[in-house]
Amino acid sequence: QAGLTQPPSVSKGLRQTATLTCTGSSDNVGYQGAAWLQQHQGHPPKVLSSRNNNRPSGISERFSASRSGNTASLTINGLQPEDEADYYCSAWDRSLDAVVFGGGTKVTVL
Amino acid sequence: EVHLVESGGGLVQPGGSLRLSCAASGVTFSDYWIHWVRQGPGTGLEWVARINNDGSGTSYADSVRGRFTVSRDNAKNTVYLQMNSLRAEDTALYYCSTVFELWGQGTLVTVSS
Repeated sequence: QAGLTQPPSVSKGLRQTATLTCTGSSDNVGYQGAAWLQQHQGHPPKVLSSRNNNRPSGISERFSASRSGNTASLTINGLQPEDEADYYCSAWDRSLDAVVFGGGTKVTVL
Repeated sequence: EVHLVESGGGLVQPGGSLRLSCAASGVTFSDYWIHWVRQGPGTGLEWVARINNDGSGTSYADSVRGRFTVSRDNAKNTVYLQMNSLRAEDTALYYCSTVFELWGQGTLVTVSS
Protein backbone atom coordinates (compact mmCIF):
# COMPACT_ATOMS: atom_id res chain seq x y z
CA GLN A 1 0.00 0.00 0.00
CA ALA A 2 1.36 3.44 -0.97
CA GLY A 3 2.51 5.58 1.92
CA LEU A 4 3.13 9.24 2.59
CA THR A 5 6.42 10.87 1.65
CA GLN A 6 8.69 12.36 4.32
CA PRO A 7 12.34 13.41 4.13
CA PRO A 8 14.44 10.79 5.96
CA SER A 9 16.35 13.25 8.10
CA VAL A 10 16.53 16.86 9.24
CA SER A 11 19.38 18.40 11.25
CA LYS A 12 19.18 21.80 12.92
CA GLY A 13 20.97 23.66 15.67
CA LEU A 14 19.82 24.09 19.24
CA ARG A 15 17.01 26.65 19.55
CA GLN A 16 16.57 26.78 15.77
CA THR A 17 13.38 25.95 13.89
CA ALA A 18 12.79 22.73 11.98
CA THR A 19 9.97 22.22 9.49
CA LEU A 20 9.06 18.69 8.53
CA THR A 21 6.94 17.90 5.50
CA CYS A 22 4.60 15.06 4.59
CA THR A 23 3.27 14.70 1.07
CA GLY A 24 0.28 12.57 0.17
CA SER A 25 -2.68 12.79 -2.14
CA SER A 26 -6.26 13.99 -2.28
CA ASP A 27 -7.31 10.59 -0.93
CA ASN A 28 -5.41 10.92 2.32
CA VAL A 29 -3.69 14.14 3.45
CA GLY A 30 -5.88 16.26 1.20
CA TYR A 31 -8.99 14.43 2.42
CA GLN A 32 -8.91 14.62 6.22
CA GLY A 33 -5.46 15.97 7.00
CA ALA A 34 -2.55 14.24 8.70
CA ALA A 35 -1.66 13.57 12.30
CA TRP A 36 1.92 13.86 13.53
CA LEU A 37 3.56 11.35 15.83
CA GLN A 38 6.82 11.56 17.77
CA GLN A 39 8.71 8.43 18.68
CA HIS A 40 11.77 8.28 20.88
CA GLN A 41 13.98 5.19 20.68
CA GLY A 42 12.44 2.34 22.63
CA HIS A 43 9.12 4.08 23.22
CA PRO A 44 5.71 3.96 21.54
CA PRO A 45 4.61 6.80 19.27
CA LYS A 46 3.05 9.86 20.87
CA VAL A 47 0.53 12.07 19.06
CA LEU A 48 1.79 15.65 18.71
CA SER A 49 -0.97 16.94 16.48
CA SER A 50 -4.32 15.59 15.39
CA ARG A 51 -5.60 15.60 11.84
CA ASN A 52 -7.23 19.00 12.38
CA ASN A 53 -3.85 20.41 13.51
CA ASN A 54 -4.82 20.64 17.17
CA ARG A 55 -2.32 19.73 19.87
CA PRO A 56 -3.45 17.20 22.49
CA SER A 57 -3.29 18.28 26.10
CA GLY A 58 0.28 18.35 27.39
CA ILE A 59 2.00 18.85 24.05
CA SER A 60 4.36 21.82 23.95
CA GLU A 61 3.31 24.92 22.01
CA ARG A 62 6.67 24.67 20.25
CA PHE A 63 5.04 22.08 18.00
CA SER A 64 2.62 23.40 15.39
CA ALA A 65 1.05 21.69 12.41
CA SER A 66 -0.49 22.97 9.21
CA ARG A 67 -1.65 21.72 5.82
CA SER A 68 -1.68 23.06 2.30
CA GLY A 69 -3.44 20.89 -0.19
CA ASN A 70 -1.94 17.42 -0.11
CA THR A 71 1.08 18.40 1.98
CA ALA A 72 1.15 18.55 5.78
CA SER A 73 3.86 20.27 7.78
CA LEU A 74 5.10 20.13 11.35
CA THR A 75 7.11 23.04 12.67
CA ILE A 76 9.25 22.65 15.78
CA ASN A 77 10.27 25.99 17.22
CA GLY A 78 13.20 26.50 19.58
CA LEU A 79 14.66 23.02 19.10
CA GLN A 80 15.67 21.28 22.33
CA PRO A 81 17.82 18.18 22.86
CA GLU A 82 14.73 16.18 23.84
CA ASP A 83 13.24 16.86 20.40
CA GLU A 84 15.69 14.38 18.88
CA ALA A 85 13.37 11.61 17.75
CA ASP A 86 11.66 10.07 14.77
CA TYR A 87 8.59 11.89 13.49
CA TYR A 88 5.86 10.20 11.50
CA CYS A 89 2.84 11.57 9.71
CA SER A 90 -0.30 9.46 9.37
CA ALA A 91 -3.57 9.80 7.52
CA TRP A 92 -6.68 7.88 6.64
CA ASP A 93 -6.74 6.89 2.97
CA ARG A 94 -10.29 6.66 1.68
CA SER A 95 -9.38 4.82 -1.50
CA LEU A 96 -7.32 2.16 0.29
CA ASP A 97 -9.67 1.94 3.31
CA ALA A 98 -6.48 1.99 5.34
CA VAL A 99 -4.21 4.17 7.46
CA VAL A 100 -1.06 5.26 5.65
CA PHE A 101 2.12 6.39 7.32
CA GLY A 102 5.11 8.32 6.15
CA GLY A 103 8.49 6.64 6.30
CA GLY A 104 9.49 8.91 9.18
CA THR A 105 11.90 11.81 9.56
CA LYS A 106 14.78 11.55 12.00
CA VAL A 107 15.38 14.91 13.66
CA THR A 108 18.88 15.62 14.95
CA VAL A 109 19.59 18.63 17.15
CA LEU A 110 23.14 19.83 16.62
CA GLU B 1 -6.35 8.12 32.60
CA VAL B 2 -6.62 6.41 29.22
CA HIS B 3 -4.78 3.18 28.62
CA LEU B 4 -4.50 0.71 25.79
CA VAL B 5 -2.66 -2.43 26.89
CA GLU B 6 -1.57 -5.11 24.46
CA SER B 7 -0.81 -8.71 25.40
CA GLY B 8 -0.33 -12.09 23.79
CA GLY B 9 2.97 -11.60 22.01
CA GLY B 10 5.76 -14.14 22.08
CA LEU B 11 7.97 -16.49 20.11
CA VAL B 12 6.27 -18.67 17.53
CA GLN B 13 7.53 -20.92 14.74
CA PRO B 14 6.88 -20.10 11.09
CA GLY B 15 3.44 -21.29 10.14
CA GLY B 16 2.18 -20.95 13.69
CA SER B 17 -0.54 -18.82 15.23
CA LEU B 18 -0.89 -16.20 17.95
CA ARG B 19 -3.77 -14.13 19.27
CA LEU B 20 -3.05 -10.63 20.46
CA SER B 21 -5.38 -8.76 22.79
CA CYS B 22 -5.80 -5.04 23.39
CA ALA B 23 -7.59 -3.96 26.54
CA ALA B 24 -8.80 -0.38 26.94
CA SER B 25 -9.52 1.58 30.09
CA GLY B 26 -10.41 5.18 30.85
CA VAL B 27 -12.11 5.67 27.51
CA THR B 28 -15.52 4.97 25.98
CA PHE B 29 -14.16 2.10 23.95
CA SER B 30 -17.09 1.83 21.57
CA ASP B 31 -16.47 5.40 20.39
CA TYR B 32 -13.29 4.39 18.58
CA TRP B 33 -12.15 2.51 15.57
CA ILE B 34 -9.18 0.43 16.74
CA HIS B 35 -6.15 -0.27 14.58
CA TRP B 36 -3.22 -2.64 14.82
CA VAL B 37 0.07 -1.12 13.73
CA ARG B 38 3.40 -2.93 13.70
CA GLN B 39 7.01 -1.86 13.68
CA GLY B 40 9.71 -4.24 12.60
CA PRO B 41 13.24 -4.07 14.01
CA GLY B 42 14.73 -0.72 13.04
CA THR B 43 11.91 0.10 10.65
CA GLY B 44 9.00 2.50 10.45
CA LEU B 45 5.34 2.11 11.29
CA GLU B 46 3.22 -0.26 9.21
CA TRP B 47 -0.57 -0.30 9.44
CA VAL B 48 -1.90 -3.85 9.77
CA ALA B 49 -5.67 -3.82 10.29
CA ARG B 50 -8.62 -1.90 11.66
CA ILE B 51 -12.04 -2.56 13.07
CA ASN B 52 -14.86 -0.04 13.34
CA ASN B 53 -16.84 0.92 16.45
CA ASP B 54 -19.27 -1.98 16.57
CA GLY B 55 -17.13 -4.58 14.83
CA SER B 56 -19.19 -4.65 11.67
CA GLY B 57 -16.41 -3.40 9.42
CA THR B 58 -12.77 -4.42 9.06
CA SER B 59 -9.95 -3.87 6.62
CA TYR B 60 -6.44 -5.24 6.30
CA ALA B 61 -3.06 -4.48 4.79
CA ASP B 62 -2.25 -6.53 1.71
CA SER B 63 0.63 -8.16 3.59
CA VAL B 64 -1.68 -9.80 6.15
CA ARG B 65 -5.03 -10.15 4.38
CA GLY B 66 -6.27 -13.73 4.54
CA ARG B 67 -3.95 -14.59 7.45
CA PHE B 68 -4.91 -12.10 10.16
CA THR B 69 -8.37 -11.43 11.59
CA VAL B 70 -9.34 -8.50 13.81
CA SER B 71 -12.35 -8.66 16.13
CA ARG B 72 -13.66 -6.86 19.20
CA ASP B 73 -15.80 -7.38 22.27
CA ASN B 74 -17.08 -3.99 23.42
CA ALA B 75 -18.58 -5.52 26.57
CA LYS B 76 -15.02 -6.44 27.58
CA ASN B 77 -13.41 -3.28 26.11
CA THR B 78 -11.08 -5.56 24.18
CA VAL B 79 -9.90 -5.94 20.59
CA TYR B 80 -8.20 -9.06 19.28
CA LEU B 81 -5.84 -9.83 16.43
CA GLN B 82 -5.78 -13.48 15.41
CA MET B 83 -2.62 -14.14 13.45
CA ASN B 84 -2.30 -17.37 11.47
CA SER B 85 0.29 -18.73 9.05
CA LEU B 86 2.91 -16.50 10.60
CA ARG B 87 6.05 -15.71 8.65
CA ALA B 88 9.48 -14.40 9.65
CA GLU B 89 8.59 -11.04 8.15
CA ASP B 90 5.71 -10.70 10.64
CA THR B 91 8.29 -10.27 13.41
CA ALA B 92 7.58 -6.88 14.92
CA LEU B 93 6.33 -4.89 17.86
CA TYR B 94 2.55 -4.79 17.50
CA TYR B 95 0.72 -1.71 18.73
CA CYS B 96 -2.97 -1.33 19.43
CA SER B 97 -3.98 2.22 18.63
CA THR B 98 -6.59 4.65 17.49
CA VAL B 99 -3.64 6.05 15.47
CA PHE B 100 -4.71 9.68 15.66
CA GLU B 101 -5.22 9.85 19.44
CA LEU B 102 -4.11 6.89 21.56
CA TRP B 103 -1.32 4.30 21.45
CA GLY B 104 -0.53 1.30 23.59
CA GLN B 105 2.96 0.21 24.64
CA GLY B 106 3.10 -2.66 22.18
CA THR B 107 3.62 -6.42 22.39
CA LEU B 108 6.52 -8.18 20.69
CA VAL B 109 5.91 -10.96 18.20
CA THR B 110 8.90 -13.00 17.06
CA VAL B 111 8.50 -15.58 14.32
CA SER B 112 11.50 -17.88 14.21
CA SER B 113 12.41 -21.54 14.22
